[in-house]
Amino acid sequence: EAQVTQNPRYLITVTGKKLTVTCSQNMNHEYMSWYRQDPGLGLRQIYYSMNVEVTDKGDVPEGYKVSRKEKRNFPLILESPSPNQTSLYFCASSLGGSGTSYNEQFFGPGTRLTVL
Amino acid sequence: GENVEQHPSTLSVQEGDSAVIKCTYSDSASNYFPWYKQELGKGPQLIIDIRSNVGEKKDQRIAVTLNKTAKHFSLHITETQPEDSAVYFCALTSPPGNTPLVFGKGTRLSVIA
Repeated sequence: EAQVTQNPRYLITVTGKKLTVTCSQNMNHEYMSWYRQDPGLGLRQIYYSMNVEVTDKGDVPEGYKVSRKEKRNFPLILESPSPNQTSLYFCASSLGGSGTSYNEQFFGPGTRLTVL
Repeated sequence: GENVEQHPSTLSVQEGDSAVIKCTYSDSASNYFPWYKQELGKGPQLIIDIRSNVGEKKDQRIAVTLNKTAKHFSLHITETQPEDSAVYFCALTSPPGNTPLVFGKGTRLSVIA
């Protein structure tokens, strides 16, 4: 089954404790992206990647890191989480970049993160 | 960067009635306008999209219209059903090809049986 998977689905942690949220897709997509969803703010892009070893900042990159060492994986790293990073996080992938002919983004199920 | 305004933020309709959600934008270069549906506990899913060279697109009970002159696009759902209850997001992107999608803030649609 074609899908985007995220782990963990739920995470409660404390301020300053490094964490990684994994994202993997099995569709051989070039483009991958991370969003955070907050009430009243919609979906805001954190980072995106056009291909392996190519990453770029989105609208709200502060406090986050990403890496794209393999085409299928795009982990989101919070080196020192803070309470304002409490949010619902979504990973997404698409065949090509958002402005190309292959626009449909496939979203993962989400990771609900709480930072105390 | 580009901004997209989405209205209303919440919408309640009776089953069988129509629902309309509207988004406005400012960048006349925007050329791709998708709509995503997010059901409770799930990630958003593409339901319909339209490109700037088309004024309207329809897929069964859902349709999207685009007015490039006025810079707005709308989602129309006819004969609403309880399973249409969800949060709907409009989005758009502009050239060049690596420009990320920009999402509206979402509309929570409730269809009352």
